Amino acid sequence: AQKITQTQPGMFVQEKEAVTLDCTYDTSDPSYGLFWYKQPSSGEMIFLIYQGSYDQQNATEGRYSLNFQKARKSANLVISASQLGDSAMYFCAMREDNTGNQFYFGTGTSLTVIP
Amino acid sequence: NAGVTQTPKFRVLKTGQSMTLLCAQDMNHEYMYWYRQDPGMGLRLIHYSVGEGTTAKGEVPDGYNVSRLKKQNFLLGLESAAPSQTSVYFCASSQRLSGTANYGYTFGSGTRLTVV
Repeated sequence: AQKITQTQPGMFVQEKEAVTLDCTYDTSDPSYGLFWYKQPSSGEMIFLIYQGSYDQQNATEGRYSLNFQKARKSANLVISASQLGDSAMYFCAMREDNTGNQFYFGTGTSLTVIP
Repeated sequence: NAGVTQTPKFRVLKTGQSMTLLCAQDMNHEYMYWYRQDPGMGLRLIHYSVGEGTTAKGEVPDGYNVSRLKKQNFLLGLESAAPSQTSVYFCASSQRLSGTANYGYTFGSGTRLTVV
């Protein structure tokens, strides 16, 4: 079974609008971390936001917020007030704290911001 | 502060040739990783290391070897390159995992490898 599932290969959003990128995960480890990374066309991987499995509140970092629904095992990324520079690939990732030292990545969502 | 440095950034190999990709980090991180990124498949773990002198296989280790003789360096080797190994390779490092702390990856800038 896939550890991380991103079901939206491509998304479009109007500039200044909000957009939600979906991510669901699968783990039996009670302790884990969820991450979102941005990969612009230049290719580098940029860390955006982190949510720990025991965190009570949803994580926020500027215009990024993570909608963490633990019972549904979802960790959606919300980008508010989209900007043209937000056009990129976005990857959801999970780290299981007790079963290994590696990250599992989803297949990514390509976001295009339309002027 | 350089972070994670990968060399080379681009390379074209002929089938059957060998090469080594170098990853160097200056953050004193314990853990280092090699991933490959292919269209529609996200990042897949090739090999990783949890400390100097130790390595382990990831999801797609076949055709690759690694070594971690020094803490700051993690080498990925292709002994006999195949066209299926055409990909973008990313190195990453992280601190030792502890509880649920935000120990994310620091990525290198990637190596684009083409095998013809």
